[in-house]
Parts: sequence; C-alpha cells; structure tokens
Amino acid sequence: GENVEQHPSTLSVQEGDSAVIKCTYSDSASNYFPWYKQELGKRPQLIIDIRSNVGEKKDQRIAVTLNKTAKHFSLHITETQPEDSAVYFCAASFSGGSNYKLTFGKGTLLTVNP
Amino acid sequence: DAGVTQSPTHLIKTRGQQVTLRCSPKSGHDTVSWYQQALGQGPQFIFQYYEEEERQRGNFPDRFSGHQFPNYSSELNVNALLLGDSALYLCASSLRRSRNYGYTFGSGTRLTVV
Repeated sequence: GENVEQHPSTLSVQEGDSAVIKCTYSDSASNYFPWYKQELGKRPQLIIDIRSNVGEKKDQRIAVTLNKTAKHFSLHITETQPEDSAVYFCAASFSGGSNYKLTFGKGTLLTVNP
Repeated sequence: DAGVTQSPTHLIKTRGQQVTLRCSPKSGHDTVSWYQQALGQGPQFIFQYYEEEERQRGNFPDRFSGHQFPNYSSELNVNALLLGDSALYLCASSLRRSRNYGYTFGSGTRLTVV
C-alpha cells in the first residue's frame, strides 16, 4: 500500500519568513495530493491540493509543488504569520471518482514566532 | 449549511467494553470515511461507506465495524476495546461523483480507554 513520509516533524520560523514542508510517497499510482492544517483540538482543514497532471499550484501565500518522477511534493508558505502556527499534514491517494482513501504523513508542527 | 457533525465529542470507556460513534455527513454528501488519529500521528484510514456498504477498508481488525444509514449518516463500532484504541476518531464526508476531491472532516470524537 501507499506510504507517505513527511519532513520535518517540527519547524520553527520567524514571522515573515517562508516555511517549506516536504513529503514523499511510494505508490506511483497516486494522483491526488492534499494538504491539511490542523489547529490544536480542531478538525483537519484542507488548505490546498494538487493533482498529478500539474506540477505546481498556488493560492495566495500557499503553494504546492509536485515532482511525479521523484515521487515527492512540497508545501510552501510565504510571509508566515502567527496564525499559520498549526500541524500540517500531507496526504496521497489514488483517486477514482470520490471513492478514495487518503494516506497521511505524520505531520509537521509549524510554529511562527512573532 | 451544517458541516460534518460527530457525537459524542468525548468518551471514556473501560478495556473490553464496546463503543459506538456517530457521524452525520455534510449536506449533499453521500460517502463517509472514518479515520483514527493517535496522539502525535496522522489520521489512519479505517473504512469508507457508500450506498450503505463498506467500499474500502484499511488495516484494522474486525473489532472495528461500521454502518451507513439511508440518510447517509454513519456509525463506527469498536468491540473489545484495548488501551491502544485511545485516539481521536475522525469522520470525513464527500460526494462520490464530485470532481471536488477534498474531504470535509468532522471535529472528531476523543475516545479514551482506561
């Protein structure tokens, strides 16, 4: 089955700096890669996702890049703010319609220091 | 528009007991997936229900079972509870035929087994 590795496990940055979180996946059939943000005691919330037919996607301060050959994808957050502090999870799946399961990484605790 | 609702929010059970967790999907969604999130870990897929049938299953023992009702709501049952079953149980809903691949997660049920 699919295996997703996520690094680093913790990341501390100064407000305004950029943050990068990297994930690798094992199943070359995976074609959908979402990122979730989970604040303490709250539900995971989808912040951005990318499908395997594109290499990069951007939404304001957040971007995701995908390298299918190397089987890795990354989350980039620019101009970080204290409210970006949370645990971020990457995930991968083979998506046929909506009948899919997500395999998650172990998460990255991002701390943005004011 | 109500999102995914789960009940109860917290639960304490004794080893060997049985527990039932409940989930109401987001309005318009027809597929329910259950995940187990141990402390400090990413969510792990338990199973997925669509049209009242289990469609996919993760690597969980038969002690974990579920059900989906005609109104798309779902239950997760765990028998013969072990200490290791202590975790946050997340329900996620989606629309099977939708091209929007993102799950909507509920806030979860925190299960503590003592």
